[in-house]
Amino acid sequence: DAKTTQPTSMDCAEGRAANLPCNHSTISGNEYVYWYRQIHSQGPQYIIHGLKNNETNEMASLIITEDRKSSTLILPHATLRDTAVYYCIVRVAYTSGSRLTFGEGTQLTVNP
Amino acid sequence: NAGVTQTPKFQVLKTGQSMTLQCAQDMNHEYMSWYRQDPGMGLRLIHYSVGAGITDQGEVPNGYNVSRSTTEDFPLRLLSAAPSQTSVYFCASTPAPPRVGGNEQFFGPGTRLTVL
Repeated sequence: DAKTTQPTSMDCAEGRAANLPCNHSTISGNEYVYWYRQIHSQGPQYIIHGLKNNETNEMASLIITEDRKSSTLILPHATLRDTAVYYCIVRVAYTSGSRLTFGEGTQLTVNP
Repeated sequence: NAGVTQTPKFQVLKTGQSMTLQCAQDMNHEYMSWYRQDPGMGLRLIHYSVGAGITDQGEVPNGYNVSRSTTEDFPLRLLSAAPSQTSVYFCASTPAPPRVGGNEQFFGPGTRLTVL
Protein backbone atom coordinates (compact mmCIF):
# COMPACT_ATOMS: atom_id res chain seq x y z
CA ASP A 1 0.00 0.00 0.00
CA ALA A 2 1.21 3.51 -0.84
CA LYS A 3 2.56 5.77 1.89
CA THR A 4 0.69 8.94 2.79
CA THR A 5 1.83 12.23 4.30
CA GLN A 6 -0.47 14.43 6.36
CA PRO A 7 0.10 17.50 8.51
CA THR A 8 0.34 16.68 12.18
CA SER A 9 -2.31 19.16 13.25
CA MET A 10 -4.76 21.75 11.95
CA ASP A 11 -7.21 24.21 13.43
CA CYS A 12 -10.53 25.34 12.06
CA ALA A 13 -13.21 27.76 13.24
CA GLU A 14 -16.63 26.33 13.95
CA GLY A 15 -18.96 26.75 10.98
CA ARG A 16 -16.14 27.14 8.49
CA ALA A 17 -14.94 24.55 6.03
CA ALA A 18 -12.11 22.30 7.15
CA ASN A 19 -9.76 21.25 4.35
CA LEU A 20 -7.45 18.39 5.26
CA PRO A 21 -4.68 17.62 2.76
CA CYS A 22 -2.99 14.32 2.07
CA ASN A 23 -0.05 13.53 -0.19
CA HIS A 24 0.23 10.09 -1.76
CA SER A 25 2.71 10.57 -4.57
CA THR A 26 3.46 6.83 -4.96
CA ILE A 27 -0.16 5.79 -5.37
CA SER A 28 -0.76 3.01 -7.89
CA GLY A 29 -3.50 2.90 -10.47
CA ASN A 30 -5.59 0.37 -8.56
CA GLU A 31 -5.30 2.03 -5.15
CA TYR A 32 -8.12 3.98 -3.56
CA VAL A 33 -7.94 6.88 -1.14
CA TYR A 34 -9.82 6.26 2.11
CA TRP A 35 -10.49 8.66 4.96
CA TYR A 36 -11.28 7.64 8.51
CA ARG A 37 -11.43 9.66 11.68
CA GLN A 38 -11.08 8.83 15.34
CA ILE A 39 -12.73 10.91 17.97
CA HIS A 40 -10.96 10.72 21.30
CA SER A 41 -11.30 7.31 22.98
CA GLN A 42 -13.62 5.95 20.30
CA GLY A 43 -13.15 3.47 17.50
CA PRO A 44 -12.23 4.80 14.05
CA GLN A 45 -15.11 5.87 11.83
CA TYR A 46 -15.24 5.58 8.07
CA ILE A 47 -15.81 8.91 6.28
CA ILE A 48 -15.39 8.53 2.53
CA HIS A 49 -13.26 6.95 -0.18
CA GLY A 50 -12.57 7.44 -3.89
CA LEU A 51 -10.44 6.36 -6.84
CA LYS A 52 -10.06 9.35 -9.14
CA ASN A 53 -13.35 11.17 -9.29
CA ASN A 54 -14.40 13.60 -6.60
CA GLU A 55 -16.79 12.09 -4.12
CA THR A 56 -19.36 13.54 -1.76
CA ASN A 57 -21.52 12.03 0.94
CA GLU A 58 -23.44 13.28 3.94
CA MET A 59 -20.28 13.70 5.98
CA ALA A 60 -17.69 15.15 3.63
CA SER A 61 -16.30 15.71 0.16
CA LEU A 62 -13.16 14.17 -1.25
CA ILE A 63 -11.20 16.00 -3.92
CA ILE A 64 -8.51 13.98 -5.71
CA THR A 65 -6.07 15.74 -8.02
CA GLU A 66 -5.94 14.69 -11.65
CA ASP A 67 -2.56 13.00 -11.22
CA ARG A 68 -3.92 11.32 -8.05
CA LYS A 69 -0.82 12.25 -6.09
CA SER A 70 -2.73 14.19 -3.49
CA SER A 71 -6.21 14.65 -2.14
CA THR A 72 -8.19 16.90 0.18
CA LEU A 73 -10.94 15.97 2.59
CA ILE A 74 -13.44 18.77 3.03
CA LEU A 75 -15.80 19.08 5.97
CA PRO A 76 -18.05 21.84 4.66
CA HIS A 77 -19.32 23.24 7.97
CA ALA A 78 -17.12 22.03 10.78
CA THR A 79 -18.62 21.61 14.24
CA LEU A 80 -17.00 21.03 17.61
CA ARG A 81 -17.91 17.36 17.27
CA ASP A 82 -15.64 17.10 14.24
CA THR A 83 -12.59 17.51 16.47
CA ALA A 84 -10.73 14.24 15.88
CA VAL A 85 -7.68 12.63 14.32
CA TYR A 86 -8.21 12.19 10.57
CA TYR A 87 -6.45 9.39 8.75
CA CYS A 88 -5.78 9.31 5.02
CA ILE A 89 -5.15 5.75 3.82
CA VAL A 90 -4.26 4.51 0.37
CA ARG A 91 -4.83 0.89 -0.49
CA VAL A 92 -6.19 -1.44 -3.09
CA ALA A 93 -9.91 -2.04 -2.86
CA TYR A 94 -9.45 -5.65 -1.98
CA THR A 95 -6.58 -7.58 -0.55
CA SER A 96 -6.38 -10.96 1.14
CA GLY A 97 -7.86 -9.67 4.33
CA SER A 98 -9.41 -6.50 5.53
CA ARG A 99 -6.28 -4.68 6.55
CA LEU A 100 -6.04 -0.96 6.86
CA THR A 101 -2.70 0.63 7.64
CA PHE A 102 -3.22 3.67 9.80
CA GLY A 103 -0.46 6.26 10.02
CA GLU A 104 -0.35 9.10 12.52
CA GLY A 105 -3.06 11.22 10.90
CA THR A 106 -3.97 14.88 11.33
CA GLN A 107 -5.33 16.17 14.61
CA LEU A 108 -8.12 18.56 13.63
CA THR A 109 -9.26 20.92 16.35
CA VAL A 110 -12.45 22.87 15.70
CA ASN A 111 -12.55 26.01 17.79
CA PRO A 112 -15.70 27.87 18.88
CA ASN B 1 -28.24 -3.57 14.38
CA ALA B 2 -25.82 -3.25 17.27
CA GLY B 3 -22.89 -3.15 14.83
CA VAL B 4 -19.56 -4.26 16.27
CA THR B 5 -19.55 -4.86 20.01
CA GLN B 6 -16.57 -5.49 22.26
CA THR B 7 -16.32 -6.69 25.83
CA PRO B 8 -15.01 -5.84 28.30
CA LYS B 9 -14.57 -2.07 27.94
CA PHE B 10 -11.77 -2.01 30.51
CA GLN B 11 -9.52 -4.72 31.91
CA VAL B 12 -6.55 -4.84 34.24
CA LEU B 13 -4.36 -7.95 34.24
CA LYS B 14 -1.26 -9.05 36.04
CA THR B 15 1.77 -10.20 34.09
CA GLY B 16 1.37 -13.82 33.08
CA GLN B 17 -2.41 -13.93 33.26
CA SER B 18 -4.42 -14.96 30.24
CA MET B 19 -7.71 -13.60 29.02
CA THR B 20 -9.98 -13.33 26.02
CA LEU B 21 -11.24 -10.13 24.48
CA GLN B 22 -14.62 -10.65 22.91
CA CYS B 23 -15.78 -9.21 19.61
CA ALA B 24 -19.11 -9.76 17.89
CA GLN B 25 -20.89 -8.27 14.89
CA ASP B 26 -24.46 -8.67 13.72
CA MET B 27 -24.04 -7.37 10.17
CA ASN B 28 -23.14 -10.74 8.63
CA HIS B 29 -19.73 -9.42 7.61
CA GLU B 30 -17.22 -11.95 6.38
CA TYR B 31 -14.05 -10.08 7.27
CA MET B 32 -13.02 -9.28 10.82
CA SER B 33 -9.81 -7.85 12.25
CA TRP B 34 -8.12 -7.01 15.52
CA TYR B 35 -5.98 -3.89 15.90
CA ARG B 36 -4.08 -2.40 18.80
CA GLN B 37 -3.46 1.28 19.31
CA ASP B 38 -0.72 2.59 21.54
CA PRO B 39 -0.60 6.20 22.78
CA GLY B 40 0.18 8.67 19.99
CA MET B 41 0.32 5.95 17.37
CA GLY B 42 -1.88 4.68 14.60
CA LEU B 43 -3.55 1.29 14.59
CA ARG B 44 -1.53 -1.87 14.06
CA LEU B 45 -3.09 -5.06 12.76
CA ILE B 46 -2.79 -8.09 15.06
CA HIS B 47 -4.83 -10.82 13.34
CA TYR B 48 -7.56 -10.96 10.78
CA SER B 49 -10.09 -13.39 9.36
CA VAL B 50 -11.68 -13.59 5.93
CA GLY B 51 -14.39 -15.99 7.03
CA ALA B 52 -15.39 -18.63 9.55
CA GLY B 53 -12.55 -21.08 10.05
CA ILE B 54 -9.95 -18.86 8.35
CA THR B 55 -7.51 -16.62 10.19
CA ASP B 56 -4.16 -15.06 9.43
CA GLN B 57 -1.51 -12.96 11.10
CA GLY B 58 -1.15 -9.22 10.81
CA GLU B 59 1.79 -6.96 11.69
CA VAL B 60 2.05 -7.72 15.41
CA PRO B 61 0.67 -11.23 16.09
CA ASN B 62 3.09 -12.40 18.78
CA GLY B 63 1.46 -13.12 22.11
CA TYR B 64 -2.05 -13.32 20.67
CA ASN B 65 -4.25 -16.08 19.33
CA VAL B 66 -7.52 -15.92 17.44
CA SER B 67 -10.16 -18.30 16.18
CA ARG B 68 -13.26 -17.84 14.06
CA SER B 69 -15.78 -20.57 14.63
CA THR B 70 -18.77 -18.44 13.55
CA THR B 71 -19.28 -15.48 11.25
CA GLU B 72 -20.42 -13.34 14.17
CA ASP B 73 -17.62 -13.82 16.71
CA PHE B 74 -13.88 -13.21 16.57
CA PRO B 75 -12.29 -13.48 20.04
CA LEU B 76 -8.72 -12.42 20.73
CA ARG B 77 -6.78 -14.40 23.33
CA LEU B 78 -3.81 -13.15 25.26
CA LEU B 79 -1.86 -16.23 26.23
CA SER B 80 0.42 -14.78 28.92
CA ALA B 81 -0.08 -11.06 29.37
CA ALA B 82 2.94 -8.77 29.37
CA PRO B 83 3.19 -5.03 30.16
CA SER B 84 4.02 -4.44 26.48
CA GLN B 85 0.47 -5.52 25.67
CA THR B 86 -0.99 -2.57 27.53
CA SER B 87 -2.97 -0.89 24.79
CA VAL B 88 -6.40 -0.14 23.40
CA TYR B 89 -7.73 -2.99 21.28
CA PHE B 90 -10.17 -2.45 18.45
CA CYS B 91 -12.12 -5.05 16.57
CA ALA B 92 -13.41 -4.28 13.06
CA SER B 93 -15.55 -5.95 10.43
CA THR B 94 -15.94 -5.50 6.70
CA PRO B 95 -18.58 -6.88 4.35
CA ALA B 96 -17.60 -9.27 1.58
CA PRO B 97 -17.43 -9.84 -1.27
CA PRO B 98 -15.79 -6.49 -1.89
CA ARG B 99 -17.87 -3.89 -3.65
CA VAL B 100 -16.53 -2.03 -6.63
CA GLY B 101 -14.63 0.81 -5.06
CA GLY B 102 -13.88 -1.03 -1.87
CA ASN B 103 -15.57 -1.52 1.44
CA GLU B 104 -15.44 0.48 4.61
CA GLN B 105 -14.49 -1.06 7.93
CA PHE B 106 -16.77 -0.82 10.92
CA PHE B 107 -15.00 -0.54 14.26
CA GLY B 108 -16.05 -1.46 17.75
CA PRO B 109 -15.72 0.91 20.72
CA GLY B 110 -12.48 -0.67 21.94
CA THR B 111 -11.17 -2.48 25.01
CA ARG B 112 -8.69 -0.64 27.19
CA LEU B 113 -6.25 -3.16 28.62
CA THR B 114 -3.63 -2.52 31.29
CA VAL B 115 -1.08 -5.18 32.19
CA LEU B 116 0.72 -4.61 35.46
